[in-house]
Amino acid sequence: AQKVTQAQTEISVVEKEDVTLDCVYETRDTTYYLFWYKQPPSGELVFLIRRNSFDEQNEISGRYSWNFQKSTSSFNFTITASQVVDSAVYFCALSGGTSYGKLTFGQGTILTVHP
Amino acid sequence: DARVTQTPRHKVTEMGQEVTMRCQPILGHNTVFWYRQTMMQGLELLAYFRNRAPLDDSGMPKDRFSAEMPDATLATLKIQPSEPRDSAVYFCASGFQGFLGYEQYFGPGTRLTVT
Repeated sequence: AQKVTQAQTEISVVEKEDVTLDCVYETRDTTYYLFWYKQPPSGELVFLIRRNSFDEQNEISGRYSWNFQKSTSSFNFTITASQVVDSAVYFCALSGGTSYGKLTFGQGTILTVHP
Repeated sequence: DARVTQTPRHKVTEMGQEVTMRCQPILGHNTVFWYRQTMMQGLELLAYFRNRAPLDDSGMPKDRFSAEMPDATLATLKIQPSEPRDSAVYFCASGFQGFLGYEQYFGPGTRLTVT
């Protein structure tokens, strides 16, 4: 069975603060994929990143960065210099290597960035 | 810019009525997923297809839900009869296995309200 845990239900920050969203996962698959999705108030699910289990390199994309650590089964997401437009629900998700891409989602973290 | 399309975007119906939700996957994608999002359960997988064949529908209440792919350009999710507890946002996603693993793209969702 696969499981994704996002322990932070809600986070509130002031604009320009850095914020880290935590994600811990469980899987028995040796090959798997980790994802982050953003769900803004409009409701759509916006793909942010996919990371393969065999690639532990951290990734940076603009103000976004991701820290993947297999040793602790974590895939954390940091937003640097947060902006009001970052306010959304963020989901971490896991797909096992043999599951043809089906996703197991965490419960989501509601991020509110105040001006 | 290829996108997954879903119709209708919003549906309000009375308990006991049949509801049909439609999804047009991205051309060339061979896997289609149906997810449901509720406040209580979060995002959960209902069913998915690969090359139009159903792979797993264990997430669906079998007595009232059915999912089909009559052709490669259309996936349907039906609820008959609908109940108030079916009120949720239903997302369709399509995907394929790329060089670095599965990629999956979500439609905008159908917001269903059953009164």
